[in-house]
Amino acid sequence: QKEVEQNSGPLSVPEGAIASLNCTYSDRVSQSFFWYRQYSGKSPELIMSIYSNGDKEDGRFTAQLNKASQYVSLLIRDSQPSDSATYLCAVYTGTASKLTFGTGTRLQVTL
Amino acid sequence: GAVVSQHPSRVICKSGTSVKIECRSLDFQATTMFWYRQFPKKSLMLMATSNEGSKATYEQGVEKDKFLINHASLTLSTLTVTSAHPEDSSFYICSPGPDSYNEQFFGPGTRLTVL
Repeated sequence: QKEVEQNSGPLSVPEGAIASLNCTYSDRVSQSFFWYRQYSGKSPELIMSIYSNGDKEDGRFTAQLNKASQYVSLLIRDSQPSDSATYLCAVYTGTASKLTFGTGTRLQVTL
Repeated sequence: GAVVSQHPSRVICKSGTSVKIECRSLDFQATTMFWYRQFPKKSLMLMATSNEGSKATYEQGVEKDKFLINHASLTLSTLTVTSAHPEDSSFYICSPGPDSYNEQFFGPGTRLTVL
């Protein structure tokens, strides 16, 4: 079982719709959870951090964490073509002292 | 977040030459530096972790004698690809941290092409 799992996609949503990206992780003692956005040919950019159960909103982005289910998600409201990118889920576990990344979900926002 | 620079952004070299990539953490004291590699349309892969003033720890399958990492200060780490070959062509990205929130920020990356 992979430590951090994401559906590779592509996930295609029309402009203006809500994009829902999901991630599961295997290590129950994971402490911190992150979403990165990576445009083609560029390095990852941190867009959301979440540390406790529930929702965290930042503009059009909402991160959701459910530690009991070992599940973290990212919702993008009012999706724009500029949101088209690969979204990486990352999990930090203190014992490893490093981030573990999922393989990423490619999002395509269509006009 | 942390501001990170990498130099060069792009390099093309002949097979057999060595290439040095510099990573600078401009506003964050990077006790730890992570080096990643990413092949086209593939996921990010951790190559090695270095701590300032000590030897790097390499991930399984990464040759430590081929990918030399120096982390002599809290603001500078270098990755040298020795005797580069076409299969080393990739996107190399450094990342200092994590910070007190466990966040990691990435450098802009260096695209290496070996002919």
